[in-house]
Amino acid sequence: EVQLVESGGGLAQPGGSLRLSCAASGFSFSSYGMNWVRQAPGKGLEWVSYIGGTSGNTYYTDSVKGRFTVSRDNAKNSLYLQMNSLRAEDTAVYYCAREKATAGTELDYWGQGTLVTVSS
Amino acid sequence: QSVLTQPPSASGTPGQRVTISCSGSSSNIGSNTVNWYQQLPGTAPKLLIYSNNQRPSGVPDRFSGSKSGTSASLAISGLQSEDEADYYCAAWDDSLNGRGVFGGGTKLTVL
Repeated sequence: EVQLVESGGGLAQPGGSLRLSCAASGFSFSSYGMNWVRQAPGKGLEWVSYIGGTSGNTYYTDSVKGRFTVSRDNAKNSLYLQMNSLRAEDTAVYYCAREKATAGTELDYWGQGTLVTVSS
Repeated sequence: QSVLTQPPSASGTPGQRVTISCSGSSSNIGSNTVNWYQQLPGTAPKLLIYSNNQRPSGVPDRFSGSKSGTSASLAISGLQSEDEADYYCAAWDDSLNGRGVFGGGTKLTVL
């Protein structure tokens, strides 16, 4: 059974940092690209970042470029999102999701999400 | 302001057919496939339609997708109360070195 479990969310101050993790199981992790998608309270879905399975190609939405870094450790079946210079508008539930195809937003499995709150 | 444009709301009565539109541009829907997600309250999104019109295993055939040019549509026939949810379209966008984009979401109410 495919499972994705996010962790690392919590309260951070503006300008601070957090590192999110996503533990994957039930599939060949290195064979799939992975995404981060976020949802601000009461708002819609926003795609954040993608990383390729073995290529390691990365993509980011404009608002997080230069502040967020996506990475993965295929030996540990884990996906990460390092978030620096956090802003209030980064407050959201962050989901990790498996890419069904190549980078293209075909996200067939999602985690339960982890809440990030940026506030002083 | 989302890159893909959806109506904020839609509604229908049980048994009816409803459609939800998703409008984009040549850099996203016009050149890449469209995917649709269903999000029930308090839960993670679920892939409903991929590659414009394909249903993952387990998704009822009441749900169907189509794409034409820079627009796409999700149709739900035989509407049921459990279909009340938020629906999002998504596509890859080739601009700005590549990025994923979602629509703003459509809240479907079953009257």
